Amino acid sequence: DTAVSQTPKYLVTQMGNDKSIKCEQNLGHDTMYWYKQDSKKFLKIMFSYNNKELIINETVPNRFSPKSPDKAHLNLHINSLELGDSAVYFCASSRGTGGPNEQFFGPGTRLTVL
Amino acid sequence: TQLLEQSPQFLSIQEGENLTVYCNSSSVFSSLQWYRQEPGEGPVLLVTVVTGGEVKKLKRLTFQFGDARKDSSLHITAAQPGDTGLYLCAGARAAGNKLTFGGGTRVLVKP
Repeated sequence: DTAVSQTPKYLVTQMGNDKSIKCEQNLGHDTMYWYKQDSKKFLKIMFSYNNKELIINETVPNRFSPKSPDKAHLNLHINSLELGDSAVYFCASSRGTGGPNEQFFGPGTRLTVL
Repeated sequence: TQLLEQSPQFLSIQEGENLTVYCNSSSVFSSLQWYRQEPGEGPVLLVTVVTGGEVKKLKRLTFQFGDARKDSSLHITAAQPGDTGLYLCAGARAAGNKLTFGGGTRVLVKP
């Protein structure tokens, strides 16, 4: 029983294309996140949603648009992909916005832009 | 400049040896977490510390939160190959606030 799942696991695409990554959690959590992990393994938050509402929006190009149809799903759409978008993208969830904010991560989506 | 600095960046030791990973900041954190990430997988939470001076043990892993809540350490006793992975510390500046991750320490335990 996967707690946080992402699809696809791997995504290889050409520059300029538009692609989406999907995330689902079955933990009953209220808050979901998108992180980007670069080639040096540095993990940086991009977005966070709490009960379908955007609560964190870091300095991310507006080519990246998250969408949360319900609190169990948070998808990430990327327009006009660039070489620098190549990275591993992780979805995560947490119980809420209060407390220590312990997060549960998905397995990641490795995006390669050619 | 990262808010959380981890050291060393890479550590290679023999099975049975001990190791310590450090996570330092000039900022105060309300809580600090340690995660382990294996290749091809997402980070997995190991522990959360919230009180200055707190020490938590998880089998052979000992986690300490600094008295001033600005730093933390992870000590592994008698390391095993299964301890190999990327160890990440992450801090929250306020309760429920976003997590800021350190740059990670890659640990390799050779049999």
